[in-house]
Amino acid sequence: NAGVTQTPKFQVLKTGQSMTLQCAQDMNHNSMYWYRQDPGMGLRLIYYSASEGTTDKGEVPNGYNVSRLNKREFSLRLESAAPSQTSVYFCASSDQNQPSYNEQFFGPGTRLTVL
Amino acid sequence: GENVEQHPSTLSVQEGDSAVIKCTYSDSASNYFPWYKQELGKRPQLIIDIRSNVGEKKDQRIAVTLNKTAKHFSLHITETQPEDSAVYFCAASSWGMNTGFQKLVFGTGTRLLVSP
Repeated sequence: NAGVTQTPKFQVLKTGQSMTLQCAQDMNHNSMYWYRQDPGMGLRLIYYSASEGTTDKGEVPNGYNVSRLNKREFSLRLESAAPSQTSVYFCASSDQNQPSYNEQFFGPGTRLTVL
Repeated sequence: GENVEQHPSTLSVQEGDSAVIKCTYSDSASNYFPWYKQELGKRPQLIIDIRSNVGEKKDQRIAVTLNKTAKHFSLHITETQPEDSAVYFCAASSWGMNTGFQKLVFGTGTRLLVSP
């Protein structure tokens, strides 16, 4: 099993350009997440998908959109990139079953620079 | 919403010493507290977690303690080794009654440096 995979690994954009970050998991998890990681700020939730067909905003959703394409895939789109979106982006997945609290498995990350 | 504070931001110890990282949380409904380790350039990985019905949990050289009354929890690493050098993140989570879903709120991280 590959676990959680992300593409691309690195990306440089100019202000105003758009791009989509791809994420896929092969663990049959129902929940998927997008985080951004900035120095000194930990991991902040951008959007999440509790199950296939649903998406919800997290802590910092402005400037982003998401699509839960199917159970395996969850993409993050930047419509008009801004320098403030320079960050490392992590996708994660988990298999949530109430009342258990299951581990979130992270992808390798995408390092995005917006000039 | 939940707010998690983590201290210290950096911690330097000698090999063999113990290291303690502390976190506080604000939402008394939080009931799940995982710790993640992130090595340089790598993804975060779960190293230990604790649920609110337990006060302490150990796994070899690492342990986590939880004080629900004071709303704080700590990570303890004994007999530290150079390979323990990494950034450690605490997190807190509560089950959303309306959403039926668990979201994690992370602390800002502690960079642990273990010198040989």
